[in-house]
Amino acid sequence: DADVTQTPRNRITKTGKRIMLECSQTKGHDRMYWYRQDPGLGLRLIYYSFDVKDINKGEISDGYSVSRQAQAKFSLSLESAIPNQTALYFCATSDTSGTSGYNEQFFGPGTRLTVL
Amino acid sequence: TQLLEQSPQFLSIQEGENLTVYCNSSSVFSSLQWYRQEPGEGPVLLVTVVTGGEVKKLKRLTFQFGDARKDSSLHITAAQPGDTGLYLCAGARGSGSRLTFGEGTQLTVNP
Repeated sequence: DADVTQTPRNRITKTGKRIMLECSQTKGHDRMYWYRQDPGLGLRLIYYSFDVKDINKGEISDGYSVSRQAQAKFSLSLESAIPNQTALYFCATSDTSGTSGYNEQFFGPGTRLTVL
Repeated sequence: TQLLEQSPQFLSIQEGENLTVYCNSSSVFSSLQWYRQEPGEGPVLLVTVVTGGEVKKLKRLTFQFGDARKDSSLHITAAQPGDTGLYLCAGARGSGSRLTFGEGTQLTVNP
């Protein structure tokens, strides 16, 4: 079984629609992240959460919102999707509570989102 | 502003050749990680380097952290088609802090 799962894996939507991407993890990690990946730009951080009651903006949070429903679940919403939000979206987890402390991250398989 | 710059952006070589990928910054990082990403999948952690001058080896892959902890390199010896993928470096500027990713190097190893 995958440790970090994302749903859906692919989504095509229209401009103005509300979209939710979901992430679940069975690793027991406290920290969760949402990134988007665009060609030539690497991974850019959208939002991150250090625990259930903690939400932090990343580099590119405008147009996005998140919800940490439980330690294992972190969802990303696009309230009104626009074409330049077309990208690959990745959820990641890390555990800094007792391991290396270097924030080594474990990624889900990604969601390919296309906004027409 | 991209804090971590990777070069080259694209690299296509023949099986058996050696290659080096670079990750450079003007900023100091407390640790630096290398990930490999294959099509349709998320990045997978290869290694973390934390000490200036540190060298780590993972089979045919050799990772080095610069003495000043501002840069890193990944050297692959005798590349194989299975090494094909997007290689990403990522730096942390403090223990447990969020990561900054480079743009990635897309490596293709042709049989």
